[in-house]
Amino acid sequence: DAMVIQNPRYQVTQFGKPVTLSCSQTLNHNVMYWYQQKSSQAPKLLFHYYDKDFNNEADTPDNFQSRRPNTSFCFLDIRSPGLGDAAMYLCATSRAPQGSNEKLFFGSGTQLSVL
Amino acid sequence: GDSVTQMEGPVTLSEEAFLTINCTYTATGYPSLFWYVQYPGEGLQLLLKATKADDKGSNKGFEATYRKETTSFHLEKGSVQVSDSAVYFCALKGDSSYKLIFGSGTRLLVRP
Repeated sequence: DAMVIQNPRYQVTQFGKPVTLSCSQTLNHNVMYWYQQKSSQAPKLLFHYYDKDFNNEADTPDNFQSRRPNTSFCFLDIRSPGLGDAAMYLCATSRAPQGSNEKLFFGSGTQLSVL
Repeated sequence: GDSVTQMEGPVTLSEEAFLTINCTYTATGYPSLFWYVQYPGEGLQLLLKATKADDKGSNKGFEATYRKETTSFHLEKGSVQVSDSAVYFCALKGDSSYKLIFGSGTRLLVRP
């Protein structure tokens, strides 16, 4: 029944070693988002895809990239993880990006640890 | 820019106690307001929402009223249960914006 699926649930990587987090959806939604949530802080939007159009937030570090090969899948790539990148990464989807009535559906998140 | 401020937790209550979690916001225009809940080990789920001033969102016994005059959207429940233990996030979305802006979350612990 899971509609937004994130794998893995926990990911451990080494300082500077590239890591990829994955998200898939069964909702056929047009928009997929990646949020970063550090401990006891608000989730912060990193970027989103509207179909194939990539939209980066102005303050998202260059170290973070994303790929969306098809409607169902979206990946978050961290090229050279630093200790400060340890966080929960949340994937979300919606049918359309704008409009106050658009509901976001979230996955369970991937908790990233950087050693 | 737009922002959301909510009370720090954890909030610890006994079962059947009354719950209030405060949320205030700063935004231009007329944003929509939301409460999301995150149960242990799960993703965020929409709990309730309100899209205009004086609207009351409600779900599962929780309520929140959009108060434009005080820029607030406080979450209330008359009688909490142990199963309500979770982290609650207040959020806003501008009427022409794609971006959901969250508060930092409030952890609720309900003891039997």
